[in-house]
Amino acid sequence: DAKTTQPTSMDCAEGRAANLPCNHSTISGNEYVYWYRQIHSQGPQYIIHGLKNNETNEMASLIITEDRKSSTLILPHATLRDTAVYYCIAHLTYGGSQGNLIFGKGTKLSVKP
Amino acid sequence: KAGVTQTPRYLIKTRGQQVTLSCSPISGHRSVSWYQQTPGQGLQFLFEYFSETQRNKGNFPGRFSGRQFSNSRSEMNVSTLELGDSALYLCASRFWGTPYNEQFFGPGTRLTVL
Repeated sequence: DAKTTQPTSMDCAEGRAANLPCNHSTISGNEYVYWYRQIHSQGPQYIIHGLKNNETNEMASLIITEDRKSSTLILPHATLRDTAVYYCIAHLTYGGSQGNLIFGKGTKLSVKP
Repeated sequence: KAGVTQTPRYLIKTRGQQVTLSCSPISGHRSVSWYQQTPGQGLQFLFEYFSETQRNKGNFPGRFSGRQFSNSRSEMNVSTLELGDSALYLCASRFWGTPYNEQFFGPGTRLTVL
């Protein structure tokens, strides 16, 4: 799996959009970008994933650059409950195998009132 | 739908003892993965089980082992505990056979080795 680089920490005001960047310059053509988050003392929570196109779900949006070397996770209206460590993972995905996600150090997002 | 459950939630052991942790996946999920999380090393993959067989293994010593039962429930065992085994142990379940790796994590078992 390709290495990812994320800022160590970020702050965001409550109600504003949180934009979390991730660099994955060595990503291969069939590696997906996954985002997970971990709220303090809980298990990680899946947020979203994508390959080439931008993706949106009820939690967040994922913007992937055209060259796929970087991506941005967007939380449109951050709340205090979004304070967590956010992990960006580039993972080779194909059916039925490879359950080993490789987590880096992630970005500690602090949402402030 | 019930989430991934892990028991016990907290455990205190002494060096040299062994410990068994349990994980029940989400109904219908047949793959269970185990991870260790420590402040120094972060989240590290231990192993993955599917259909009662270990399919994938991380870089951990043989003291760490696991198994999976026919109902997909899984256990992991750590023998001859060391102080460095103190960690949060997480299990995650997922569908097997889809092209995506959306894993659902349990709350973890906090193991303290004294």
